Amino acid sequence: SQKIEQNSEALNIQEGKTATLTCNYTNYSPAYLQWYRQDPGRGPVFLLLIRENEKEKRKERLKVTFDTTLKQSLFHITASQPADSATYLCAHRGNKLVFGAGTILRVKS
Amino acid sequence: EAGVVQSPRYKIIEKKQPVAFWCNPISGHNTLYWYRQNLGQGPELLIRYENEEAVDDSQLPKDRFSAERLKGVDSTLKIQPAELGDSAVYLCASTGGGTNSGANVLTFGAGSRLTVL
Repeated sequence: SQKIEQNSEALNIQEGKTATLTCNYTNYSPAYLQWYRQDPGRGPVFLLLIRENEKEKRKERLKVTFDTTLKQSLFHITASQPADSATYLCAHRGNKLVFGAGTILRVKS
Repeated sequence: EAGVVQSPRYKIIEKKQPVAFWCNPISGHNTLYWYRQNLGQGPELLIRYENEEAVDDSQLPKDRFSAERLKGVDSTLKIQPAELGDSAVYLCASTGGGTNSGANVLTFGAGSRLTVL
């Protein structure tokens, strides 16, 4: 079955640093990966999508990479701020959109 | 534009009681999803609708869960009877036109948190 894995441990970083979150997938080669942000008590909010033929995608302070050889996507937040603290979910599309468990990011001032 | 609207936001019931959740997707979005999210986990698909047709309900526990999407707009998810293990957040999402529509970018509602005692 399609599996998608994210770091189960929370990532704690200092404000201003770059946060890097990892998403690994197995048993499938997705045509694209999506990243969502979820705040407590809220539904996930779409951030970025990257297709298999794209190595990198940027949006403001966000950057996503997609390495089909490693079967991995990295999600970077540069110049992180306390307001970036949230859970970040990656998802890939097979015959359905499958989500990882998410990684909690805590940015400390 | 209003987002995906869900109600109720919170529901506490005794086990074996019925419960229903309602979802109003973004206007014009033909595809509607119901997901269940357990604490510390990612959303898991329960059912997907294309207009009023359920095209993927393989993950829906059909002995106690049911869903409908009359007229291809609003949708209702029902659990009867509820069990302790049904405690979770039930998320509704929709997709429609736009740049990323082919990649099924989802717009989620805030979710309905169910607690079964």
